[in-house]
Amino acid sequence: DGGITQSPKYLFRKEGQNVTLSCEQNLNHDAMYWYRQDPGQGLRLIYYSQIVNDFQKGDIAEGYSVSREKKESFPLTVTSAQKNPTAFYLCASSMGGGSEAFFGQGTRLTVV
Amino acid sequence: KQEVTQIPAALSVPEGENLVLNCSFTDSAIYNLQWFRQDPGKGLTSLLLIQSSQREQTSGRLNASLDKSSGRSTLYIAASQPGDSATYLCAVSPLYGNNRLAFGKGNQVVVIP
Repeated sequence: DGGITQSPKYLFRKEGQNVTLSCEQNLNHDAMYWYRQDPGQGLRLIYYSQIVNDFQKGDIAEGYSVSREKKESFPLTVTSAQKNPTAFYLCASSMGGGSEAFFGQGTRLTVV
Repeated sequence: KQEVTQIPAALSVPEGENLVLNCSFTDSAIYNLQWFRQDPGKGLTSLLLIQSSQREQTSGRLNASLDKSSGRSTLYIAASQPGDSATYLCAVSPLYGNNRLAFGKGNQVVVIP
């Protein structure tokens, strides 16, 4: 069953903690993306990767970090430097080159 | 920078009416345009993708048109049903450079039984 799996679905973070959101895909896609979604705002790009071992900053990369060691995986770490991390995080993948994008079911991160 | 606009932000229609959702973009140099559906608390589901060379794309009750020169796309949903209640987002892919999609903020639709 092909698709994109994000885990966990809900995540709670204490002040000053780093947390890592998982994103795995079995679609054999080259490109992967992380977006942040806040109420009343559109999706904002955090980081993206077009190939293994390479990634670029999006529009709101400050306070976040990523890695792309495997084609299937693109984890996102929300660091303590991110001052307002409470949001809905979405991972996506595509074949690249402007091809159709597919999304995971999202992770809702809440700071407690 | 590409700007994508979807107006209105929210709308309600009676069941059975046709839904018309509009998306406009400022830069016509696009590779394709994609329409998504998002249910509350869920991820995005791809509905239709229109290549820049196409004028329209159809899937079941859904039809999307594209007028690249005027920077507009319209999503038509025929004979709306309560199950069509969701937020609909459009996104454009640039013709040149990276593969970064530019999203609109979405149209939140409620179909009233």
